[in-house]
Amino acid sequence: KQEVTQIPAALSVPEGENLVLNCSFTDSAIYNLQWFRQDPGKGLTSLLLIQSSQREQTSGRLNASLDKSSGRSTLYIAASQPGDSATYLCAVNTNAGKSTFGDGTTLTVKP
Amino acid sequence: NAGVTQTPKFQVLKTGQSMTLQCAQDMNHEYMSWYRQDPGMGLRLIHYSVGAGITDQGEVPNGYNVSRSTTEDFPLRLLSAAPSQTSVYFCASSPGPDEQYFGPGTRLTVT
Repeated sequence: KQEVTQIPAALSVPEGENLVLNCSFTDSAIYNLQWFRQDPGKGLTSLLLIQSSQREQTSGRLNASLDKSSGRSTLYIAASQPGDSATYLCAVNTNAGKSTFGDGTTLTVKP
Repeated sequence: NAGVTQTPKFQVLKTGQSMTLQCAQDMNHEYMSWYRQDPGMGLRLIHYSVGAGITDQGEVPNGYNVSRSTTEDFPLRLLSAAPSQTSVYFCASSPGPDEQYFGPGTRLTVT
């Protein structure tokens, strides 16, 4: 059974800092991995999708990496801003359409 | 495109009542999924579908039924509501085992 762990559970940083969120998974037979952002009381917004054959994906100040063999992904946020405060979730997906989510990292960026 | 829509936004049920949560998408996506999210946790997969007429169980299927008669719609039925089913329910769709798009969620309370 696939298990996904996100560390740390919560993170508080001052504005402008670069930071890394971690996601690990137990079964490396994944099709892709997706990072999401969730604001309090809201739905999920997709940030980045990395296919199993890729090593990284970038969008603006966000960079996600994937090391499938070691079962790890990181989300790097450059020059953090208070508007980045949210919960960040990773999900690993099989090619059969089955997704397993981590419990998320709640990020607070202080002005 | 409206994307993924879910109704109702909020619902209160008494123990033992039944109801159907509606999910529809207008992107012609083949894959659709239902998740539940409990406080402070990630999403857990209830049921998913890779096309009309095809459904499968996720991690927490007990107490829920689904059917997929059309590509657009994927309703989730609670047969006999229990307090343990109090949660926020999210529906998602994707064109394949790729980037998932989420609806805004249904907040369900069972008393």
